[in-house]
Amino acid sequence: IAGITQAPTSQILAAGRRMTLRCTQDMRHNAMYWYRQDLGLGLRLIHYSNTAGTTGKGEVPDGYSVSRANTDDFPLTLASAVPSQTSVYFCASSDSAEGNEQFFGPGTRLTVL
Amino acid sequence: GQNIDQPTEMTATEGAIVQINCTYQTSGFNGLFWYQQHAGEAPTFLSYNVLDGLEEKGRFSSFLSRSKGYSYLLLKELQMKDSASYLCAGLDSNYQLIWGAGTKLIIKP
Repeated sequence: IAGITQAPTSQILAAGRRMTLRCTQDMRHNAMYWYRQDLGLGLRLIHYSNTAGTTGKGEVPDGYSVSRANTDDFPLTLASAVPSQTSVYFCASSDSAEGNEQFFGPGTRLTVL
Repeated sequence: GQNIDQPTEMTATEGAIVQINCTYQTSGFNGLFWYQQHAGEAPTFLSYNVLDGLEEKGRFSSFLSRSKGYSYLLLKELQMKDSASYLCAGLDSNYQLIWGAGTKLIIKP
């Protein structure tokens, strides 16, 4: 692995289903983030983790949960998907939260019907 | 509230110079980032300014005025591959990035 990866690349999901988006980085970065990107809007932070074992809520956390059991992995779970969660989801990481550039994964395109 | 404003779309000619402006209002301020995002791809880092002034990096330069809450990205010698969206983002007092909606730059031959 080089950098940051996400899986799946894309997914179509029925409303009400549970879904976990995976994110793995091999840069030993302390901080990780989940964003959603919708047409006409800026990237919006869903959840973040400043270091393994800790997580925090971003701007739009409702309907999503995360965990950070180790440095490399930061999965995002939709407990019961709704159509408004149709979006492109980007995972990102940075060496630390304080002013370091964020490196982005390739994104997951999620459609909830 | 926190807000980042930038133009929705700009058009420029190959070989020319273009300036993309960004104004920001954040709760506290810990720097201003510019990212490039090609259609269907992830954002990639271009620049980070935390002090006033101009930072030059090859064909790209970024300027910051903290007193005016203003930044711009300057792209010189435009190439067709520069067609992309350019995202401005401010780092707030909690070290969270507040993102603008992006400026779609269209380069014409």
